[in-house]
Amino acid sequence: DTEVTQTPKHLVMGMTNKKSLKCEQHMGHRAMYWYKQKAKKPPELMFVYSYEKLSINESVPSRFSPECPNSSLLNLHLHALQPEDSALYLCASSQGATVSYNEQFFGPGTRLTVL
Amino acid sequence: RKEVEQDPGPFNVPEGATVAFNCTYSNSASQSFFWYRQDCRKEPKLLMSVYSSGNEDGRFTAQLNRASQYISLLIRDSKLSDSATYLCVVNLGSTGRRALTFGSGTRLQVQP
Repeated sequence: DTEVTQTPKHLVMGMTNKKSLKCEQHMGHRAMYWYKQKAKKPPELMFVYSYEKLSINESVPSRFSPECPNSSLLNLHLHALQPEDSALYLCASSQGATVSYNEQFFGPGTRLTVL
Repeated sequence: RKEVEQDPGPFNVPEGATVAFNCTYSNSASQSFFWYRQDCRKEPKLLMSVYSSGNEDGRFTAQLNRASQYISLLIRDSKLSDSATYLCVVNLGSTGRRALTFGSGTRLQVQP
């Protein structure tokens, strides 16, 4: 299995809702990432987990809360989002525990719309 | 100066043409380099890693010039299916902040 899966593919939520995005990989990768991508822009790194521990938080607002229940799973909990948070949320994984030298493999993303 | 800079394009080329993209990076401590392609409304897919000695995969050749701090991607015999945005990714190789940096992408449109 050489893929990263993400659910749901699409999500529409109101500003008062609480929802979660899920990401899974079965490649034995030890680093997992969340990115946010707006239209016609490159992905922006949000969080990095290394060996199930949060190693990088790129000053992301607290309305985004990541969680890594085990080495294969990565969640992103969403609460009280704003319309400007609408974007494609991408999960990625890489083999190594550090971010150096490692190729990242991306999931198909969750397209989020906040009303 | 941006940390990773690419010409946004679009590059409009006919089928069969050879096209080259460059990507410059500002941090001389950068340790690893990649090219990804991204189709419209899809996720980025790894195209190739870029090694110091340069590397080739079929019609694609990637090169690294550390002295001038740029990487390049050459596509020979362009196909319609090569139309996509090509993202340059530079990795500082540390676990610190901003270790993973994407360029803004270069859009390629191959025309029949």
